[in-house]
Amino acid sequence: AQSVTQLDSHVSVSEGTPVLLRCNYSSSYSPSLFWYVQHPNKGLQLLLKYTSAATLVKGINGFEAEFKKSETSFHLTKPSAHMSDAAEYFCVVSGSYDNFNKFYFGSGTKLNVKP
Amino acid sequence: NAGVTQTPKFRILKIGQSMTLQCTQDMNHNYMYWYRQDPGMGLKLIYYSVGAGITDKGEVPNGYNVSRSTTEDFPLRLELAAPSQTSVYFCASSYSGVVSGANVLTFGAGSRLTVL
Repeated sequence: AQSVTQLDSHVSVSEGTPVLLRCNYSSSYSPSLFWYVQHPNKGLQLLLKYTSAATLVKGINGFEAEFKKSETSFHLTKPSAHMSDAAEYFCVVSGSYDNFNKFYFGSGTKLNVKP
Repeated sequence: NAGVTQTPKFRILKIGQSMTLQCTQDMNHNYMYWYRQDPGMGLKLIYYSVGAGITDKGEVPNGYNVSRSTTEDFPLRLELAAPSQTSVYFCASSYSGVVSGANVLTFGAGSRLTVL
């Protein structure tokens, strides 16, 4: 079975400082992993996607994530936070090898960016 | 370039009423999904469909029904609304394949439902 754990429900950073949002996954095979962002009262937007190519994945708005199989982690980072990054972020793992179109969501991390 | 369109955006229901949340996608995606989002709980899958005429239950299907008569449309029906169904509902779609862009969820803007 696949599952995702987001280790922090809330993260607060100052503008211009680095962002780290942590995600651990459980999967019995090589999964596809995603990060989605949700701004207040909006739908979810894809930030980036890992599908067994390069382990360091670059996404939109300066975000990137590194797939570490030995640690079963897929943490999201950004070198310098911007006020517009304040949102909720979801780590997602896809389904089994014969059903890549089932997706399992973490509980989300709310990022607060202080001026 | 509409993507996934959900209606209505907001709705208040009384206990026991019924309603249908509409979802349409214009990307010719074969997979469609309904999720509900509750604070601190992430998104939970209610129902999904792998193509017209085929639907299956997700993690939290009780109290809901779906149908998929066309590729484009995937309505979610609440038959007897209960306060526990107060939530934000998201419709999403994806397509299967090995090309770039496959196996990625595209979301609608959401429908906020309150049951009083």
